[in-house]
Amino acid sequence: GESVGLHLPTLSVQEGDNSIINCAYSNSASDYFIWYKQESGKGPQFIIDIRSNMDKRQGQRVTVLLNKTVKHLSLQIAATQPGDSAVYFCAENRAGNMLTFGGGTRLMVKP
Amino acid sequence: GAGVSQSPSNKVTEKGKDVELRCDPISGHTALYWYRQRLGQGLEFLIYFQGNSAPDKSGLPSDRFSAERTGESVSTLTIQRTQQEDSAVYLCASSYNPLPNTGELFFGEGSRLTVL
Repeated sequence: GESVGLHLPTLSVQEGDNSIINCAYSNSASDYFIWYKQESGKGPQFIIDIRSNMDKRQGQRVTVLLNKTVKHLSLQIAATQPGDSAVYFCAENRAGNMLTFGGGTRLMVKP
Repeated sequence: GAGVSQSPSNKVTEKGKDVELRCDPISGHTALYWYRQRLGQGLEFLIYFQGNSAPDKSGLPSDRFSAERTGESVSTLTIQRTQQEDSAVYLCASSYNPLPNTGELFFGEGSRLTVL
């Protein structure tokens, strides 16, 4: 999602439910996408990545889906846990040295 | 150390002063990145170092910003004549392989800069 200054979009889910965090990317030339998780007061932490020749990639409890037609990326978290509460960023790489980060989505897990 | 180390963790300075922020990457990581994160926002790329190659400075917002790295070790980000809009968390990251080979960047906890 898009962020507007301090008002990050927030997703609130019940513990145990599945979470889906969405991201729209800007450049059709981007060929590599990464999801990062950032807990309060810490640096971002790599979760999972996907290249443009794939539509889906699975990790442990996480799945990333890529829809190149509509330039959309999503992160699915299965059986969400309180420890998953954080801000999640998608990032795109268009070749070269730079990652372009989205504005972030705050995930809040209710016990 | 086990992770990327940044110092200082917090810095409060007066407008017009110079500041230096330090990053110790993970040993053996050839790629080093600096990003800036304003409150509640995503990360903005600043500069990238890879081995002994010329750095990619394309993200530096003005000539008040500069960075150095000695070989594959410590990097210093310097902001001269700080302005209030420089207030942000400055994040350093390193990786064993550079982009686009891997997007698994290991980030430090950042240096929070507040310019009064």
